[in-house]
Amino acid sequence: KNQVEQSPQSLIILEGKNCTLQCNYTVSPFSNLRWYKQDTGRGPVSLTIMTFSENTKSNGRYTATLDADTKQSSLHITASQLSDSASYICVVSSFTGGGNKLTFGTGTQLKVEL
Amino acid sequence: DSGVTQTPKHLITATGQRVTLRCSPRSGDLSVYWYQQSLDQGLQFLIQYYNGEERAKGNILERFSAQQFPDLHSELNLSSLELGDSALYFCASSVYEGQETQYFGPGTRLLVL
Repeated sequence: KNQVEQSPQSLIILEGKNCTLQCNYTVSPFSNLRWYKQDTGRGPVSLTIMTFSENTKSNGRYTATLDADTKQSSLHITASQLSDSASYICVVSSFTGGGNKLTFGTGTQLKVEL
Repeated sequence: DSGVTQTPKHLITATGQRVTLRCSPRSGDLSVYWYQQSLDQGLQFLIQYYNGEERAKGNILERFSAQQFPDLHSELNLSSLELGDSALYFCASSVYEGQETQYFGPGTRLLVL
């Protein structure tokens, strides 16, 4: 069964600090891995998309890594801001002749405090 | 603003009823995806349409159906509603159906009483 597991489930950090969120997946076939940020009650917003051959991708203060061999990914947030408080969701895509199926992790709830 | 619009924003209905959720993708996007997000679960992929054709199915119940019209807007029909169908329903769109970014709409919050 295709699964995406994220850790930690929740995290509280002080403003200005860095943090790293983890994602492990067992999805086959693998097409790409995405990280989304979702504010409460709103639609997810894409942060990064990485294919099999990409190890690192950055988007401002967000840096995602991918190890396709161990099927692990991480999202590193530097110099956190209060506006980073949100749920961060790891999503793995399987694109076959039958379309693009996405398997979502349950997310890491991040809270940034003063 | 992602450019994806969903109506209505909120919907309250009773068990056994049927509702229709509407989604307009971003201009130029050919793919539409539907997702369900319950309080106790993460986002669940329901179904994908590409240029009017069904392309992929996820965990979509038989009581649910969807379609994409020639103008590329999409509708998700939910029938014989149960309490457990209460959730946020998101629509997303992308240019094609592969590696590109999906843009999510603001969602429709459905409450079944």
